[in-house]
Amino acid sequence: DSGVTQTPKHLITATGQRVTLRCSPRSGDLSVYWYQQSLDQGLQFLIHYYNGEERAKGNILERFSAQQFPDLHSELNLSSLELGDSALYFCASSVVWGLNSEQFFGPGTRLTVL
Amino acid sequence: QQQVKQSPQSLIVQKGGISIINCAYENTAFDYFPWYQQFPGKGPALLIAIRPDVSEKKEGRFTISFNKSAKQFSLHIMDSQPGDSATYFCAASKTDKLIFGTGTRLQVFP
Repeated sequence: DSGVTQTPKHLITATGQRVTLRCSPRSGDLSVYWYQQSLDQGLQFLIHYYNGEERAKGNILERFSAQQFPDLHSELNLSSLELGDSALYFCASSVVWGLNSEQFFGPGTRLTVL
Repeated sequence: QQQVKQSPQSLIVQKGGISIINCAYENTAFDYFPWYQQFPGKGPALLIAIRPDVSEKKEGRFTISFNKSAKQFSLHIMDSQPGDSATYFCAASKTDKLIFGTGTRLQVFP
């Protein structure tokens, strides 16, 4: 158990809908990262927040957005869902930012868009 | 330039054998090279990592070999065990943004 929690574990929804994925980092970790894992694209970095502020963006679609709240939990919002958004979404956390410190991954949320 | 190429896609090894997975990168700005292990239904977990100022790092049965001039690095698993059966991802990073390889599915048979 990495100490990172993600909810829900599974999510099934329809095209065009909007969903919110939630992540609680390990106690004391200020950085939260979101990754998408799909069969065709592999593991891809989406976005990084540090202590409430966005620090880096990767291959994140404009339909997706994220935020990190004062209690350091983070939410990833996916809107206007398409079939191709079906994937595993992982959240990871680390203590600091900029020092390549170990990222601890949560168990993931499996999103299925029908 | 941001890609990390990983091979092989899958690997079958007998118990006690050596498993070798290779990765190559293009971006010379990368300064951190971790390997992650992922079991089915779980998130990736850090196995071992290396920085480009050393050519080799060993932790137990796991060794990373790093060739800076060739822009290649590899994971060696000595005395492979059935419990090592998992998917392995190499990655490269500059300031925390991990770029992952495509993964290698390792199966170790008794």
